[in-house]
Amino acid sequence: KAGVTQTPRYLIKTRGQQVTLSCSPISGHRSVSWYQQTPGQGLQFLFEYFSETQRNKGNFPGRFSGRQFSNSRSEMNVSTLELGDSALYLCASSLDMATDTQYFGPGTRLTVL
Amino acid sequence: AQSVTQLGSHVSVSEGALVLLRCNYSSSVPPYLFWYVQYPNQGLQLLLKYTSAATLVKGINGFEAEFKKSETSFHLTKPSAHMSDAAEYFCAVSVQGGSEKLVFGKGTKLTVNP
Repeated sequence: KAGVTQTPRYLIKTRGQQVTLSCSPISGHRSVSWYQQTPGQGLQFLFEYFSETQRNKGNFPGRFSGRQFSNSRSEMNVSTLELGDSALYLCASSLDMATDTQYFGPGTRLTVL
Repeated sequence: AQSVTQLGSHVSVSEGALVLLRCNYSSSVPPYLFWYVQYPNQGLQLLLKYTSAATLVKGINGFEAEFKKSETSFHLTKPSAHMSDAAEYFCAVSVQGGSEKLVFGKGTKLTVNP
């Protein structure tokens, strides 16, 4: 069974631009979560989608948004990029319940110049 | 709200020595606990998971962890370190119905010396 895939793997943007990251979960998984990883803040939960609905949300500004499609694929969008948004963005999928094991993709490395 | 503390941001061991990575959690309800490993430029790989079925949990690559409720700990161990174990390790907690799926510790970078 294929794992979680994320595209693109690397991205360079400039301040003020917006970016869209994509995540394809493991087949059959209905929950997709997004995390931001930075050296200073570590791994922080962004949001979780289940059946095309945002089920949980972390403490991030409204510039960070996401969505999930009917095939469970998910995208996250960051508008008006700031230098501090430079990070590794990780997507994880799980079957359903909040306590199900999450399987992570390789991440998208975003650099904001 | 739940939280995780990993003692020691860097741990260095010799090849063949015992690996002990410490994790303490805070949770007002019974938690689910996880250890993940991250190799450079990669995502997180699940090592093991505690779900209250057994206090001693065995994972992949020879790792295991013991849940101790009285100490609110979930330390990760491996009897004999291998060079390939060099990576960053993250402890995480989750509770059913919590507002955050996984709350991670800051991570412990393991170095294995030949």
